[in-house]
Amino acid sequence: GAGVSQTPSNKVTEKGKYVELRCDPISGHTALYWYRQSLGQGPEFLIYFQGTGAADDSGLPNDRFFAVRPEGSVSTLKIQRTERGDSAVYLCASSLLPNTEAFFGQGTRLTVV
Amino acid sequence: AQSVTQLDSHVSVSEGTPVLLRCNYSSSYSPSLFWYVQHPNKGLQLLLKYTSAATLVKGINGFEAEFKKSETSFHLTKPSAHMSDAAEYFCVVKTSGAGSYQLTFGKGTKLSVIP
Repeated sequence: GAGVSQTPSNKVTEKGKYVELRCDPISGHTALYWYRQSLGQGPEFLIYFQGTGAADDSGLPNDRFFAVRPEGSVSTLKIQRTERGDSAVYLCASSLLPNTEAFFGQGTRLTVV
Repeated sequence: AQSVTQLDSHVSVSEGTPVLLRCNYSSSYSPSLFWYVQHPNKGLQLLLKYTSAATLVKGINGFEAEFKKSETSFHLTKPSAHMSDAAEYFCVVKTSGAGSYQLTFGKGTKLSVIP
């Protein structure tokens, strides 16, 4: 596609459930990033992939959060045992190379009830 | 650690008047700085970037920003506001090193444009 695509656009889940959020980066982009944006705040870094490997996962808040990118393209952010505090917009971005412009998707709004 | 501080959470201007959105940064070395815009229900869009070339950076839609090292500032300006400029604006610094390329965002400034 022309841009970064994230699915679903909205997700409502019950506390304690498991969720997966998907990101389709721009074709050919080697770098992929996940960010989380809470209400009234700027996005916060979660994890960065270069190819298939997580080059920096220092932003993941705890071990309930995990992300994969098995073929170096699509990435999935996985959240186990969701908590109400996980409610936020999860943003994905990709760039051709690590130090080039990052293009953002429209995000997945996660609501944990 | 690098950080940015956006000095105003909300700025309101009349259509046709100048826009000034203020940003101060903290960095131990010469940073890469950006401004992003976020329209409601749309993705973040890059307005402009500073990467140690010219200190006055021109971006899209008539916006520009000036890097002032002595003041550690990177304020965003536009001579004449348009209704379509109403959005949230984020000042961003890039952290590079040790194989990582994190973007650190400010808390954002909401720009309202009054007809």
